[in-house]
Amino acid sequence: GESVGLHLPTLSVQEGDNSIINCAYSNSASDYFIWYKQESGKGPQFIIDIRSNMDKRQGQRVTVLLNKTVKHLSLQIAATQPGDSAVYFCAEKRSRGSTLGRLYFGRGTQLTVWP
Amino acid sequence: NAGVTQTPKFQVLKTGQSMTLQCAQDMNHEYMSWYRQDPGMGLRLIHYSVGAGITDQGEVPNGYNVSRSTTEDFPLRLLSAAPSQTSVYFCASSYSGIGTRSSYEQYFGPGTRLTVT
Repeated sequence: GESVGLHLPTLSVQEGDNSIINCAYSNSASDYFIWYKQESGKGPQFIIDIRSNMDKRQGQRVTVLLNKTVKHLSLQIAATQPGDSAVYFCAEKRSRGSTLGRLYFGRGTQLTVWP
Repeated sequence: NAGVTQTPKFQVLKTGQSMTLQCAQDMNHEYMSWYRQDPGMGLRLIHYSVGAGITDQGEVPNGYNVSRSTTEDFPLRLLSAAPSQTSVYFCASSYSGIGTRSSYEQYFGPGTRLTVT
């Protein structure tokens, strides 16, 4: 079935290194993608989003890349810090059109940053 | 702004009991949604609303009801609780996605941890 999934359930990086978190999607009708960060015991926090008519979008220390050919999404975190340790989710809006209905989340990747 | 608030933070129910999870936002967002999160899983959409008086089902709507009488509030009702509904529930809000905004940042509440015995 269709699903939003992540290639790696866990990722460990050293403080100061760059992190790359991957996400695969299978629905070609998805037109909007979002990355969230969830710290233990808290609700997800929006990081960055990207529309399907874009290949790349940059934020503060984060970059999202979208490859529609292979249906792949990645989140790059520059100079990873201990405060970046969390579970990261990608989510997709599967229906084309005007509303945010039908937002589907992947299972998440646990990022651990060690000194 | 308080953002998105949820009450209660924790709740224990017995099978068959009913209850309402409360969610409120003070950002005048049109879009509100309810998700459940189970261990090792991502969030699954239960119900959502694109404005007062308008609701629709998400991925896992069975056993839950919603209504949206005001822009601010979006309560989730469990009619007859079952152990399978043990989960953490999150409410979220954002602008609706209608229009040409570059971003539709969603704001999540702190969650309600529900246990059904």
